[in-house]
Amino acid sequence: QKEVEQNSGPLSVPEGAIASLNCTYSDRVSQSFFWYRQYSGKSPELIMSIYSNGDKEDGRFTAQLNKASQYVSLLIRDSQPSDSATYLCAATSNFGNEKLTFGTGTRLTIIP
Amino acid sequence: DADVTQTPRNRITKTGKRIMLECSQTKGHDRMYWYRQDPGLGLRLIYYSFDVKDINKGEISDGYSVSRQAQAKFSLSLESAIPNQTALYFCATSDPTSGFYNEQFFGPGTRLTVL
Repeated sequence: QKEVEQNSGPLSVPEGAIASLNCTYSDRVSQSFFWYRQYSGKSPELIMSIYSNGDKEDGRFTAQLNKASQYVSLLIRDSQPSDSATYLCAATSNFGNEKLTFGTGTRLTIIP
Repeated sequence: DADVTQTPRNRITKTGKRIMLECSQTKGHDRMYWYRQDPGLGLRLIYYSFDVKDINKGEISDGYSVSRQAQAKFSLSLESAIPNQTALYFCATSDPTSGFYNEQFFGPGTRLTVL
């Protein structure tokens, strides 16, 4: 079982709608979680970090963390064609082991 | 100027050749990482370094070696390249003193093809 799992997609969402991306993790020690956006052939770009249970909002992006369910999600409101990319979920422990473990990513396509 | 740079950006080589990929950063971060990315497998950690004197193997270090020449420079070598090392390679940096745990920032990547 992979430590960080994502639905590979593709996920297609109409322009202007809410895109919802999900991620589960198996290591209960994981404390910090990250969402990266990666355009085809480009490097991952950090868009959200979350450490506490609940929601964290930044512009059109909201990250949600539920440690009891070992579940992290990313909501993108008012989806734009420029949001079409692969979204990578990553987790790390704050207890000395600070390597990131990545999911394989979800490919998101925004349909104009 | 980019904070994390990688050279070369693209490289085609032949089986058995020695290849070096270089990473430089101006972010002042102590921690540097090398990943490879393959379709369907995601990003996998090859080596990481928490400072100049601290180098550690990641999950897929076989066939690779690294050198941390300075705080700002971290090189990845393939001693004898083989076709299954064809992949996209990324360097990343992080600063544990920034207040955020291990946010990593990536370079532009090197696309390596081994024939």
